[in-house]
Amino acid sequence: TQLLEQSPQFLSIQEGENLTVYCNSSSVFSSLQWYRQEPGEGPVLLVTVVTGGEVKKLKRLTFQFGDARKDSSLHITAAQPGDTGLYLCAGAYNNNDMRFGAGTRLTVKP
Amino acid sequence: KAGVTQTPRYLIKTRGQQVTLSCSPISGHRSVSWYQQTPGQGLQFLFEYFSETQRNKGNFPGRFSGRQFSNSRSEMNVSTLELGDSALYLCASSLWGQKNTEAFFGQGTRLTVV
Repeated sequence: TQLLEQSPQFLSIQEGENLTVYCNSSSVFSSLQWYRQEPGEGPVLLVTVVTGGEVKKLKRLTFQFGDARKDSSLHITAAQPGDTGLYLCAGAYNNNDMRFGAGTRLTVKP
Repeated sequence: KAGVTQTPRYLIKTRGQQVTLSCSPISGHRSVSWYQQTPGQGLQFLFEYFSETQRNKGNFPGRFSGRQFSNSRSEMNVSTLELGDSALYLCASSLWGQKNTEAFFGQGTRLTVV
């Protein structure tokens, strides 16, 4: 059983559309990270959120950490084919034990 | 600066054998974490080493072990390989630990057990 549940598992959209992916848990995290992984590569860190209710923006990507620090969302505006990849969330407990969700596999079609 | 290097990139082993994977972190980074990635389970935390000491350990059997050298390079070993050990093994390098400082992943070692 995954401690972090990500939804949807797969998402296929057309270029220019908006989308939101979710990361949920029953556990409270001291911080939460989002990564993107492309085929044949390791995950690359996109953002770290620490404070409940925190919102961070990275160009067309908006990340939100839930008030209770149990969930997070990633919203992409006007998706582009270059956004295609596996999006992973990872929660940190009180040590450096990072727990990852299974990921959302996003495909953006031209 | 050079990224995280994992060797070998690909490996095929037979059930019952043992394997050693290597991870060279970014220069100056002292924390190395290891993960197993499979399509069904996603990324599962194996262990973290910091300054040659295992600081955290995931829920894997004792067949999985690791160590870190004084230059921060790390190795992980899997003994008595099982078919279910087939996976992409990733290491992550960070200054002080993945929670508080940015972690950089290597490209991984894809292990196939036949």
